[in-house]
Amino acid sequence: GQNIDQPTEMTATEGAIVQINCTYQTSGFNGLFWYQQHAGEAPTFLSYNVLDGLEEKGRFSSFLSRSKGYSYLLLKELQMKDSASYLCAVRDNDYKLSFGAGTTVTVRA
Amino acid sequence: IAGITQAPTSQILAAGRRMTLRCTQDMRHNAMYWYRQDLGLGLRLIHYSNTAGTTGKGEVPDGYSVSRANTDDFPLTLASAVPSQTSVYFCASSERLAGSNEQFFGPGTRLTVL
Repeated sequence: GQNIDQPTEMTATEGAIVQINCTYQTSGFNGLFWYQQHAGEAPTFLSYNVLDGLEEKGRFSSFLSRSKGYSYLLLKELQMKDSASYLCAVRDNDYKLSFGAGTTVTVRA
Repeated sequence: IAGITQAPTSQILAAGRRMTLRCTQDMRHNAMYWYRQDLGLGLRLIHYSNTAGTTGKGEVPDGYSVSRANTDDFPLTLASAVPSQTSVYFCASSERLAGSNEQFFGPGTRLTVL
């Protein structure tokens, strides 16, 4: 099975940087995904890591360390529209995803 | 149709009734998934299908059944609904390939069982 932990809530100021950590213990690993979910909406894909290191995509970056079972999502230059839940998910060798409970980020003016 | 759709958008159901949630995708993805999302618990996999004609059990399959008669449709049935099945249900699809083949999610069905 999979055990995926991430903080429940984080608050940051507009224009700041926030780092959301995710730790996992899995019986199989075939990639780690981050999704964004606005209240009342479906999750949407943000990033994917399968090798160790940093993947950068505009204001969002994601890091993976497979040996430590650790990932983080970095949100830079925060905007009000970034207020959402951020979901960490691990893909197993059968291509199924296991999700953490999600981190709700609130951006304050 | 563009992407993945679900119906109904929301439903209030009496306990003991049978209910089918519909999911259709037009991306020709081979894999499809059903999740439920509950506050504090995140998305949990109910059932999945790696390809048309096959299905598998996820983390929380009890009380639910699925079928995959063709590539596009993946209905989820609650044979006799119970209040603990009150949740938001998301259907998703993806290519079952290595790499960044993310799952695409439908808009969700909000189900209340009374």
